[in-house]
Amino acid sequence: DAKTTQPTSMDCAEGRAANLPCNHSTISGNEYVYWYRQIHSQGPQYIIHGLKNNETNEMASLIITEDRKSSTLILPHATLRDTAVYYCIVRVVDSKLTFGKGITLSVRP
Amino acid sequence: GAGVSQSPSNKVTEKGKDVELRCDPISGHTALYWYRQRLGQGLEFLIYFQGNSAPDKSGLPSDRFSAERTGESVSTLTIQRTQQEDSAVYLCASSSLRFAGGAYEQYFGPGTRLTVT
Repeated sequence: DAKTTQPTSMDCAEGRAANLPCNHSTISGNEYVYWYRQIHSQGPQYIIHGLKNNETNEMASLIITEDRKSSTLILPHATLRDTAVYYCIVRVVDSKLTFGKGITLSVRP
Repeated sequence: GAGVSQSPSNKVTEKGKDVELRCDPISGHTALYWYRQRLGQGLEFLIYFQGNSAPDKSGLPSDRFSAERTGESVSTLTIQRTQQEDSAVYLCASSSLRFAGGAYEQYFGPGTRLTVT
């Protein structure tokens, strides 16, 4: 699976949009971009995934660049409960998830 | 519906003892994964079951670790002769194809916190 690069941390004010970047310059044509998050002391939680089109669900939006070498996860209205480590992962269908260090998002009041 | 469940939630054992951890996947999910997460670290893949295929054991750290799965249901992860470095949270996840050509997302259980004293 291709590797990803994320900043170590970022913070965001409550109620504002949180834009979490991810670079995956070696992504292959059959690899999807996945985002998971892990809130302290809990198991990881699936957020969203995409192949090449932008995706939106009730939790977030995923914007993938045309060349697919980077993506951005957008939490449109961050809340304190969104404070977590966010993992960007690229993988082929039905393969193990390889978690890097992720980005720690701190939402401040 | 019910999510992935794991038991026990916490386990304290003495060094050298064997432990067995259990995972109940979401009903109908054909794929099951085990991961380990040491304190302050990321997740490490351990083993992957998919239907009746041979499991991918490439992540098991030593021959003290083994796992079984009965059909598409319960899985047990066994650690023999536990060592202090085995202390970690052991996470189980399951997944299923949502639609033809789609990608699988994994749903995680709450984990078992293993402490080896």
